[in-house]
Amino acid sequence: DGGITQSPKYLFRKEGQNVTLSCEQNLNHDAMYWYRQDPGQGLRLIYYSQIVNDFQKGDIAEGYSVSREKKESFPLTVTSAQKNPTAFYLCASSGVRFGGEQYFGPGTRLTVT
Amino acid sequence: AQSVTQPDIHITVSEGASLELRCNYSYGATPYLFWYVQSPGQGLQLLLKYFSGDTLVQGIKGFEAEFKRSQSSFNLRKPSVHWSDAAEYFCAVQTGANNLFFGTGTRLTVIP
Repeated sequence: DGGITQSPKYLFRKEGQNVTLSCEQNLNHDAMYWYRQDPGQGLRLIYYSQIVNDFQKGDIAEGYSVSREKKESFPLTVTSAQKNPTAFYLCASSGVRFGGEQYFGPGTRLTVT
Repeated sequence: AQSVTQPDIHITVSEGASLELRCNYSYGATPYLFWYVQSPGQGLQLLLKYFSGDTLVQGIKGFEAEFKRSQSSFNLRKPSVHWSDAAEYFCAVQTGANNLFFGTGTRLTVIP
């Protein structure tokens, strides 16, 4: 089945530690995205990538980093510089044409204490 | 600048009743518009989308939405709500190939 997988579903970390969230897609999509979701704030774009080895900052990139070494994979690292890392993180992918639907993974809930 | 407003944070309807979720957007040109649904702790699923043409679009699960340019609105409707429709609903506007802006969502509760 084609789709997007995110792992793990739940992640717990201590403050000051970096943590990497996994996102893999087998939809053959060129574009991939990371969103952060907080209650009452909808989804906010962290980073996106339209092609391998290239990515752009979204609206709230500070404290996050990404890589795109393979078309299928777009891992997100939440660094210790991110002041409020506890959130629900969603990965998505799409074609690059205007109007292309974004397909979402099931999300990872990160809790930092 | 583009924006999406969903004025209702939470709506409660009885099972079998009709539903309308409101969405207003701000964008200089005709946007691409989407409605997504999210069950608790899950990702988002596309319900329907509008690009051009017929302003009434049909989606999955019996949902429809109407684009009204004069009101900058794209309201989601369903004639008869089922208990399984309880979820959070997001309206989104796309203004570029990778620019998808989401509203803050409307949480739907369905009571028996």
